Amino acid sequence: AQKVTQAQTEISVVEKEDVTLDCVYETRDTTYYLFWYKQPPSGELVFLIRRNSFDEQNEISGRYSWNFQKSTSSFNFTITASQVVDSAVYFCALSDLIQGAQKLVFGQGTRLTINP
Amino acid sequence: DAGVTQSPTHLIKTRGQQVTLRCSPISGHKSVSWYQQVLGQGPQFIFQYYEKEERGRGNFPDRFSARQFPNYSSELNVNALLLGDSALYLCASSPSRRNEQFFGPGTRLTVL
Repeated sequence: AQKVTQAQTEISVVEKEDVTLDCVYETRDTTYYLFWYKQPPSGELVFLIRRNSFDEQNEISGRYSWNFQKSTSSFNFTITASQVVDSAVYFCALSDLIQGAQKLVFGQGTRLTINP
Repeated sequence: DAGVTQSPTHLIKTRGQQVTLRCSPISGHKSVSWYQQVLGQGPQFIFQYYEKEERGRGNFPDRFSARQFPNYSSELNVNALLLGDSALYLCASSPSRRNEQFFGPGTRLTVL
């Protein structure tokens, strides 16, 4: 069965520190997608990134970077020089095809607190 | 461009009642998915509608139903509410069944 594990329930760092959020997944599929979403206190899930299982290149977007390693089934997310506005719950998700539709299987989330 | 919109923002119901939640997808998006997020957990897939038909269903009872209208907006209905139905209900839209999904702000349902 598809499964996503985010072992870090809560992380708290001081502003400007780098922080890495871990994500480990299990899938039976050879083709799949991995996602990261940010959920601020308002509740809306904000899409951050989608990666195809065939593309293991690391990606950088400003202060955000993602490390995809198929060999260890991990898709980790790093925030460089963290800011207070980065405080949120972050979810890693895995695509799963069900009856032809793509559903997302989410991890439990990591609550990130950036202290000034 | 407007994002996904959901209404109402908050809702309080009592056990046994029925509730209807509404979602308008991003313009041009034909697929709408519904998720339930219980406090402290990740969202759980309820079902997906594409071209007005249910295309996939998660592990939820028949008390949960939905429909999609010609303009691709959607309504989620939950009958015979239980205390355990208290959650944030998220709607997500995507251009098709298999693209990245963009979420709305959610409807927080409290069942007393």
